[in-house]
Amino acid sequence: AQSVTQLGSHVSVSEGALVLLRCNYSSSVPPYLFWYVQYPNQGLQLLLKYTSAATLVKGINGFEAEFKKSETSFHLTKPSAHMSDAAEYFCAVSDWSASKIIFGSGTRLSIRP
Amino acid sequence: GAVVSQHPSWVICKSGTSVKIECRSLDFQATTMFWYRQFPKQSLMLMATSNEGSKATYEQGVEKDKFLINHASLTLSTLTVTSAHPEDSSFYICSALLAGVGNTGELFFGEGSRLTVL
Repeated sequence: AQSVTQLGSHVSVSEGALVLLRCNYSSSVPPYLFWYVQYPNQGLQLLLKYTSAATLVKGINGFEAEFKKSETSFHLTKPSAHMSDAAEYFCAVSDWSASKIIFGSGTRLSIRP
Repeated sequence: GAVVSQHPSWVICKSGTSVKIECRSLDFQATTMFWYRQFPKQSLMLMATSNEGSKATYEQGVEKDKFLINHASLTLSTLTVTSAHPEDSSFYICSALLAGVGNTGELFFGEGSRLTVL
């Protein structure tokens, strides 16, 4: 069985500060890992994904995430937060087929001016 | 990138009526689509997997007679909420699987449809 745990349902940072959203996964098979962003009343947009290639994955909008097998983590970071980054972020895991994706509970990111 | 479109974006209906939500893959063919339900400030809950030309596979606890799913073509899946009640009010999101090399794939999500049942 696969699962993801997102630590912190709400994270607030100042504009220009480092963004760190935490995600830990559990998987009995080599996982595919994803970060999605959701703006209010919209669907999900893929930020980045890990599919067993490079452990440091760069995504859109300046976000990146590092796959750490020893820590079973896939934390999302961005060096400098922008007001437009305010949204809900979901970590997700699937098997190699990327079909049945399991989502974390989500982390709401707020940006303080 | 691939585009998935949902229609309608917003729908308000009276209790007891049925509502159909469409999910279309605009620039690719999707043999597999997924339907999710999202409650306010919560994550996405997978409701069912929709396969073109066959019956949908429902997750445990999802009423198949309540949420009818049809995947009649490679670009269209529909979710019909039958005899809707206020507790069915929610945000419904679909995704379509774009098949890749070696059976890997990527999911693309629709914009979501907000259903409000009065």
